Amino acid sequence: RKEVEQDPGPFNVPEGATVAFNCTYSNSASQSFFWYRQDCRKEPKLLMSVYSSGNEDGRFTAQLNRASQYISLLIRDSKLSDSATYLCVVNPDSWGKLQFGAGTQVVVTP
Amino acid sequence: DTEVTQTPKHLVMGMTNKKSLKCEQHMGHRAMYWYKQKAKKPPELMFVYSYEKLSINESVPSRFSPECPNSSLLNLHLHALQPEDSALYLCASSQGGTGRSNQPQHFGDGTRLSIL
Repeated sequence: RKEVEQDPGPFNVPEGATVAFNCTYSNSASQSFFWYRQDCRKEPKLLMSVYSSGNEDGRFTAQLNRASQYISLLIRDSKLSDSATYLCVVNPDSWGKLQFGAGTQVVVTP
Repeated sequence: DTEVTQTPKHLVMGMTNKKSLKCEQHMGHRAMYWYKQKAKKPPELMFVYSYEKLSINESVPSRFSPECPNSSLLNLHLHALQPEDSALYLCASSQGGTGRSNQPQHFGDGTRLSIL
């Protein structure tokens, strides 16, 4: 089993719609969680950290479910510029060895 | 704009060349990282420096040699690379040192390396 698993997509989303996707992780002791977005041939950029109580940043909402060991990302009112690959990233401890999911591709269409 | 700066942006080198990749951050971060990323794959960790000391080497071949001259700089020296080493090389940094912090890592925009 992979340490972090994501649905690769693509999720084809009409502009203005809502899209949500999950990521599961295998290490129940994992300490911190992040969503990064990566555009084609660019570096990963931190989208948001994921907190235990769930958190929102504008149109983006992240949730953490420790009991079921998954995190989720919801994008409301999708924009064309939201088209990217979204990487689920888990920090199993504090030693810097992040675990990356393979990414979920989102394509927002006009 | 990224706060982690990498140079060069692109590098083409032959298998017998020696070159270096450079990374710089001025955010006061004390942990710095090198990653390798192939197309359509997530980044793979190569090295971690914490407080300018090498703390993790992910069994990287010796043709890759990291160096951390000071808390703001990270280099990756390349020698006798193979065509399969062609990839995007990403530098990242995070606040505090490893072992102490769960802060996110911030990535530079990478060096796209091609080995002929």
